[in-house]
Amino acid sequence: QQQVKQSPQSLIVQKGGISIINCAYENTAFDYFPWYQQFPGKGPALLIAIRPDVSEKKEGRFTISFNKSAKQFSLHIMDSQPGDSATYFCAANGDSSYKLIFGSGTRLLVRP
Amino acid sequence: DADVTQTPRNRITKTGKRIMLECSQTKGHDRMYWYRQDPGLGLRLIYYSFDVKDINKGEISDGYSVSRQAQAKFSLSLESAIPNQTALYFCATSGGQGARETQYFGPGTRLLVL
Repeated sequence: QQQVKQSPQSLIVQKGGISIINCAYENTAFDYFPWYQQFPGKGPALLIAIRPDVSEKKEGRFTISFNKSAKQFSLHIMDSQPGDSATYFCAANGDSSYKLIFGSGTRLLVRP
Repeated sequence: DADVTQTPRNRITKTGKRIMLECSQTKGHDRMYWYRQDPGLGLRLIYYSFDVKDINKGEISDGYSVSRQAQAKFSLSLESAIPNQTALYFCATSGGQGARETQYFGPGTRLLVL
C-alpha cells in the first residue's frame, strides 16, 4: 500500500531552470515531510524537511511548498545545476512514529 | 556516510543460498532500519529495531530475518535467496528526540541473486 505518491519518475531540466517534484499523501496523521537526496553509489541523505504548520520552507535554492488541504507537497529547485543531478525521495511520518514512508523517487538530470 | 558502514558493498549469490548483510554504526543511535530500493518502487522498509531487544517487521519482511547483535550492529539475512530479492539494500540509523529525527543511511549493498 503506497501511502506517498511521487511524480514524475524522471525529470530532465536545463541548467538554470526550475526543477519541480510533487508528492501526495493519504494519511492525515502524517505531520512531518522530509526530502532525501541520493547521489549515484551513495545512500540517501536528508535535504530539507517541513512540518504542516507552515506552507513553505526555503533553504538556499531548495524550497518545499506544502498544501495541507490538498494533502500535497512539492520540492522546487531554483537555478538547477548539474551537481543537483540525483534521485530525490519525498517521505512522511506521523502518529509519533519513527518510521518514514517513502515515495517512489524521482531521477533528476540537469543538463549543462 | 562513514558513520554507517555496510558489508559487503556488492554480492552475487545463487538461488537458495543463505547470505548475510551487515551494518555497523558509530553514531550511538538506538534505532536501526533495513530498506531495499528497487527502480520505481522507492525505499521499502524490511525490518526495524528501536533498541537491542526490540525487532519489528516492516512493509516487506517475508523471506528476510534480522539480528541486532549490539546497539551498533544490525544484520539482515536472506535464508534462501531468490532472484526477486535482487536489489539495492540500505541500512539506516536514527536517534535523538521525537519522531522527526533524521535517518542516516549507509552506502548500500548491491545484491544480485542468480
